[in-house]
Amino acid sequence: ETGVTQSPTHLIKTRGQQVTLRCSSQSGHNTVSWYQQALGQGPQFIFQYYREEENGRGNFPPRFSGLQFPNYSSELNVNALELDDSALYLCASSLVGAGKNTGELFFGEGSRLTVL
Amino acid sequence: DAKTTQPTSMDCAEGRAANLPCNHSTISGNEYVYWYRQIHSQGPQYIIHGLKNNETNEMASLIITEDRKSSTLILPHATLRDTAVYYCIGSGNTGKLIFGQGTTLQVKP
Repeated sequence: ETGVTQSPTHLIKTRGQQVTLRCSSQSGHNTVSWYQQALGQGPQFIFQYYREEENGRGNFPPRFSGLQFPNYSSELNVNALELDDSALYLCASSLVGAGKNTGELFFGEGSRLTVL
Repeated sequence: DAKTTQPTSMDCAEGRAANLPCNHSTISGNEYVYWYRQIHSQGPQYIIHGLKNNETNEMASLIITEDRKSSTLILPHATLRDTAVYYCIGSGNTGKLIFGQGTTLQVKP
């Protein structure tokens, strides 16, 4: 059973650029959630994808967007990067289905984005 | 999601039980109490969750008060590797978790 993997682990961008972060969910999981964690803070929910559709969104602007693919992997895209977007971006997978919802999330190690 | 309140930090001696409290007085009847922890520079790790009954697994025990307004996470024999930030979250089972600031647990030799 493979765990949640994220890439890249670290990256540096400049203000105004665009970034794509990738996540492979744990084997057997069908739902992916993305979180942003600023230094010294708890993770903040960005959005969740289930069956390739956005299934809930936190308080993040539209320049944060995502995709989920048929194999349940996912991408997080951030356009027009701002300095405050510097953070650890965490992907978490879970299994949602009839009688299988536990709400338990399995997190990856994150992608650390620095915006200069 | 329910608002939760946790102490900012706690210390525990290695080998002793660590008891981490959490208040969640606004939790609704269908919301679970989840506990996650985050060791420095790693992603959060699921520990345990419960609805009404006390729960135990290989990592910890979760004691929920009868009125469900508070709970305690118990690490029975804390080790140095248990040093982490511990998050208590009151949420439905949708996977959309609202993390607070958590409790920084320092296990000391």
